[in-house]
Amino acid sequence: SQKIEQNSEALNIQEGKTATLTCNYTNYSPAYLQWYRQDPGRGPVFLLLIRENEKEKRKERLKVTFDTTLKQSLFHITASQPADSATYLCALGYSGGGADGLTFGKGTHLIIQP
Amino acid sequence: DTAVSQTPKYLVTQMGNDKSIKCEQNLGHDTMYWYKQDSKKFLKIMFSYNNKELIINETVPNRFSPKSPDKAHLNLHINSLELGDSAVYFCASSQDMGGSTDTQYFGPGTRLTVL
Repeated sequence: SQKIEQNSEALNIQEGKTATLTCNYTNYSPAYLQWYRQDPGRGPVFLLLIRENEKEKRKERLKVTFDTTLKQSLFHITASQPADSATYLCALGYSGGGADGLTFGKGTHLIIQP
Repeated sequence: DTAVSQTPKYLVTQMGNDKSIKCEQNLGHDTMYWYKQDSKKFLKIMFSYNNKELIINETVPNRFSPKSPDKAHLNLHINSLELGDSAVYFCASSQDMGGSTDTQYFGPGTRLTVL
């Protein structure tokens, strides 16, 4: 079965620096990969989607890369701010969807220190 | 307006009881889901459902059953609650099932505690 690993459970970054979060998967490549943000006591919120034939996607201060050879996605937050502190989840999606449509990683807890 | 809403937000109950969690989405989406997030924060899909098809994750006990009175609602009914059912349950919806952009919109979650 598919395994997803996100880098260290917690990541501490100084305000203003770039935060880089890693999502690695084993086995077969997904049709697309998504990143979500989850704040304590709330549901995940969609941030970005990248398809298997795309190398990079950007949205404001966010950037996602997808390397199907390395089986890895990197999620970058530039000019990080304390308000960016949250848990970030990567999720893999497969064509056909259904109950296997989205498989989530455990998430990385990002802390931006002022 | 809240896109995906769930009630109740908190649910504390005794082992062996039967309980339901309600979910409603006002996004006009075709597909709804239930996820379980355990104490280790691992988010795992339980069901996905649209008008025509219910797909059940094979690891979900049959004590759990989704019920959909209409396209905008997907309630989760749990029979004979066990201690291990304690978790946060999230409802979600998406425009399509397994489409090329299966972005999911999550509800605020229901924290279930079984004593």
